[in-house]
Amino acid sequence: QVQLVQSGDEVKKPGASVKVSCKASGYNFMSHYGITWVRQAPGQGLEWMGWINPYTGDTKYAQKLQGRVTMTTDTSTTTASMELRSLRSDDTAVYYCARASIQLWLGDDYYYYMDVWAKGTTVTVSS
Amino acid sequence: EIVLAQSPGTLSLSPGERATLSCRASQSVNNNYLAWYQQKPGQAPRLLIYGASRRATGIPDRFSGSGSETDFTLTISRLETEDFAVYYCQQYGRSPLTFGGGTKVEIK
Repeated sequence: QVQLVQSGDEVKKPGASVKVSCKASGYNFMSHYGITWVRQAPGQGLEWMGWINPYTGDTKYAQKLQGRVTMTTDTSTTTASMELRSLRSDDTAVYYCARASIQLWLGDDYYYYMDVWAKGTTVTVSS
Repeated sequence: EIVLAQSPGTLSLSPGERATLSCRASQSVNNNYLAWYQQKPGQAPRLLIYGASRRATGIPDRFSGSGSETDFTLTISRLETEDFAVYYCQQYGRSPLTFGGGTKVEIK
């Protein structure tokens, strides 16, 4: 069955970096699907962080995270990763990876919804 | 960016009742690219509806989505105990993808 499994919880100090991985299985990692990252601060709603197309390597990031976030994939291991740098206390959240099911693709623009989610990784930023 | 306003913030209902959740967009959502997700405490979100009205795989038919352009609705025809959760709408018709603030459906 389709499954996404994330790496374990992390505790980081302000200014540090964190890298969360997401291992995909049960589907063709490089066909018709991307990987998107969404985070949820404690008691808050969902925030889209960005996405990556494993086939092309194309990425798109939320403007507020530009310059601090990098998303990558390793197609040989069907693993996606998200690195967030210069961590602040307000980066404390549960980070989810999700499979992005592409409904339409026009040039560089992809229109997708998230049909399979991993369980999430808690990242705590505290001094 | 498109702002999604969900209402009400909290819906208090009894099992067996009908739930109607609203999601209003600040601009028209292209191609009605709107999804609904369910989230229970301590769990990841689960896709219920995409394309405004298409049920995702394995979702019971008591869940239905409707609407177009700026006004969308998620209806749960008869609430089961497992349906008490938080529901989020999300638009994917224009970048950046955005989520609504959520509606909590709680047991009355």
